[in-house]
Amino acid sequence: QQQVKQSPQSLIVQKGGISIINCAYENTAFDYFPWYQQFPGKGPALLIAIRPDVSEKKEGRFTISFNKSAKQFSLHIMDSQPGDSATYFCAAIAGRRALTFGSGTRLQVQP
Amino acid sequence: DSGVTQTPKHLITATGQRVTLRCSPRSGDLSVYWYQQSLDQGLQFLIQYYNGEERAKGNILERFSAQQFPDLHSELNLSSLELGDSALYFCASSPLSSSSYNEQFFGPGTRLTVL
Repeated sequence: QQQVKQSPQSLIVQKGGISIINCAYENTAFDYFPWYQQFPGKGPALLIAIRPDVSEKKEGRFTISFNKSAKQFSLHIMDSQPGDSATYFCAAIAGRRALTFGSGTRLQVQP
Repeated sequence: DSGVTQTPKHLITATGQRVTLRCSPRSGDLSVYWYQQSLDQGLQFLIQYYNGEERAKGNILERFSAQQFPDLHSELNLSSLELGDSALYFCASSPLSSSSYNEQFFGPGTRLTVL
């Protein structure tokens, strides 16, 4: 019940395209859904996050869409750039607990 | 830069040995989390401390232990090391204030290689 399922495992997008990564969860106690971006050799960096009472949150080129009834959320990267090439992790938290991570998506943006 | 520091950056040791990883949280953050990242298991939660006290345990082996000191830095101790313990170890800190959600900020990690 603690699992967060993430897809796809890898994604190749052309520069200027839209990258979409999907996640699904089961535990209805989750109340905070962050996305992390990780470059090789670096720690995960908090990118954007959403609460379940909001259906969409946008920060620059990054948008989270949240569907509470379906227990799904997704990250959209608009106008994808080669510098966005990284591994993206969705995560979920219940209260003050630890993060439950998805398995990660390796994004490659081709110039 | 998240403000979370970890030392050492790299650690190479042999099976059966013991190592200590160190983490300093962001200024003002009371909570520290330890995570392990391996190729086959992904990012997994090990243990959480809040203001010096253990708060929660995840998939932490009995050979592993941690503590948080009065100055809020934390140490993760790994003993009787096995080849399978080779991984990246991250710590994250959070203010855990009542007015904010549980945002966690990660350090740069320690890469442990057990030979």
